[in-house]
Amino acid sequence: AQSVTQPDIHITVSEGASLELRCNYSYGATPYLFWYVQSPGQGLQLLLKYFSGDTLVQGIKGFEAEFKRSQSSFNLRKPSVHWSDAAEYFCALAAYYNTDKLIFGTGTRLQVFP
Amino acid sequence: DAGVTQSPTHLIKTRGQHVTLRCSPISGHKSVSWYQQVLGQGPQFIFQYYEKEERGRGNFPDRFSARQFPNYSSELNVNALLLGDSALYLCASSLSTGWQETQYFGPGTRLLVL
Repeated sequence: AQSVTQPDIHITVSEGASLELRCNYSYGATPYLFWYVQSPGQGLQLLLKYFSGDTLVQGIKGFEAEFKRSQSSFNLRKPSVHWSDAAEYFCALAAYYNTDKLIFGTGTRLQVFP
Repeated sequence: DAGVTQSPTHLIKTRGQHVTLRCSPISGHKSVSWYQQVLGQGPQFIFQYYEKEERGRGNFPDRFSARQFPNYSSELNVNALLLGDSALYLCASSLSTGWQETQYFGPGTRLLVL
């Protein structure tokens, strides 16, 4: 079965510290993977996506993610967190048989302390 | 350019009532998808419509229905509301189908069922 797991429900970091949000997936073929961010009262905004090729993907707002097939992981990273990065982050997997359905993880809430 | 718009922003209904949620995609986008996001969870896929035809349906009861109009806007209808239908309903649009197309999400409609 296709699924996405985000093991960390809540993460707290200090401003300027590095960040890594974990994402593990279960899928029988090469996955299409995404990271979205959701700020309070906002919709989801795409940070980055992985389809194939280079396993290190660069996104917006200074985020990057690395696809590791051997670990079934697609972790999101940022070298230096800003207070404005406080939000909910969702990892998602595309179930692309005949729809554009996205399967989301349960999210990780990021809190940033000054 | 305007992003994906949804109306209303908030809605309160009682059990057994019916609700209609509306979504206007980004101009030129022909695909619309609907997601339900229960508090503390990731979004769950409900429907996708492309060129006014249903392309996918998630694991939701028949009380949920949707349609897409000639101008590509969409409605999500929920009959016989239950308390468990309380959630944020998100609409996403994309130019076409397929994972090369980025899905853009609206801010959502927050539905509370009493």
